[in-house]
Amino acid sequence: DADVTQTPRNRITKTGKRIMLECSQTKGHDRMYWYRQDPGLGLRLIYYSFDVKDINKGEISDGYSVSRQAQAKFSLSLESAIPNQTALYFCATSDPGTGDETQYFGPGTRLLVL
Amino acid sequence: KQEVTQIPAALSVPEGENLVLNCSFTDSAIYNLQWFRQDPGKGLTSLLLIQSSQREQTSGRLNASLDKSSGRSTLYIAASQPGDSATYLCAVSNSSASKIIFGSGTRLSIRP
Repeated sequence: DADVTQTPRNRITKTGKRIMLECSQTKGHDRMYWYRQDPGLGLRLIYYSFDVKDINKGEISDGYSVSRQAQAKFSLSLESAIPNQTALYFCATSDPGTGDETQYFGPGTRLLVL
Repeated sequence: KQEVTQIPAALSVPEGENLVLNCSFTDSAIYNLQWFRQDPGKGLTSLLLIQSSQREQTSGRLNASLDKSSGRSTLYIAASQPGDSATYLCAVSNSSASKIIFGSGTRLSIRP
């Protein structure tokens, strides 16, 4: 089984709808991240969390919110989706306290907002 | 503000060649630098991570170097194979390791 899973893998929604993207990890990592990827722009950080009680805005947090329900779960919400939020969304985890600085990514969620 | 640039955006080489991918960054106060591979429609896989105090890291046919003073990193791929075809991204972490800035990637195609 994959260490970092994302649901759904694909989602089509309409402008104004509220949607939630979910991320779960079995790596036992404290840190979790949400990124979006747009063609030609690389990945940009939306939100990150260093533990259940610590949530921080990233580079492009406007229009998004997150919830860290448990160490293993980090959800991203779009309260009122708009077409320019169409993108590929990635969740990632890391645990530098173990001496491993590497970020581990989920398979991504492809979101289309009509 | 940290900016990460990868040039070229796309590269096509014949199988068997050695090649170098480039990454440059504007702020030398980095914590570490990572190279990732991304296959179409897939997530990112970490290839190599270089701490700010290190000069290079090696894994198999891959070698990544870091020159903080000049704001550059290179990923060297030896004896390229068609299976190496993918997009390669570099990413730098800031001094507190809380913000990771990605380059836009180099799309590599190895011709059989």
